[in-house]
Amino acid sequence: GAVVSQHPSWVICKSGTSVKIECRSLDFQATTMFWYRQFPKQSLMLMATSNEGSKATYEQGVEKDKFLINHASLTLSTLTVTSAHPEDSSFYICSARDLGRVAGNEQFFGPGTRLTVL
Amino acid sequence: SQQGEEDPQALSIQEGENATMNCSYKTSINNLQWYRQNSGRGLVHLILIRSNEREKHSGRLRVTLDTSKKSSSLLITASRAADTASYFCATDGYQAGTALIFGKGTTLSVSS
Repeated sequence: GAVVSQHPSWVICKSGTSVKIECRSLDFQATTMFWYRQFPKQSLMLMATSNEGSKATYEQGVEKDKFLINHASLTLSTLTVTSAHPEDSSFYICSARDLGRVAGNEQFFGPGTRLTVL
Repeated sequence: SQQGEEDPQALSIQEGENATMNCSYKTSINNLQWYRQNSGRGLVHLILIRSNEREKHSGRLRVTLDTSKKSSSLLITASRAADTASYFCATDGYQAGTALIFGKGTTLSVSS
């Protein structure tokens, strides 16, 4: 149980195009999902917190108009990178908290999406 | 934002040796977790230690937590080439629904 999937696993796009990444909790409900970005040889940096049915909360320095987050259901959050540029090339990882687990603090990570912008 | 530092940033050892990685953090935590990441891949959860615990074991892994020093260590005993990866600590604050905050990571290389 507690599986999080991401789609696509990798994507190559041209500069100026938009790319949508999906994050799904497959066997549990998640009111909260998180989006991280990881540049080569660096750690994961939190981009935003996504709450089902409400606006995402973005970390300082992350442009909310560029990285659109939609959390329309308890099992799906999407991250859209709008007008992508080569500097947006990165590894994007989502995670989700399991609403049903009493501890409440367990997070489950997706396998990541490798974005390359040409 | 990042919680703190891992030490060392890179570690190279021979198979069979032990590897110790340290993690420091800045704020009060609810728990601390260690993850492994193979190059270009997703995260693998290794172990979680709660703020009221001081030591935890899982197979060849031993994690300690010193909340007074805001630090944790991960010991991998009898290392194997397959342990080659990056290792990250991540802290979880007390506020419900908060994200994990990751340290900068230690890159471990185990040669056979």
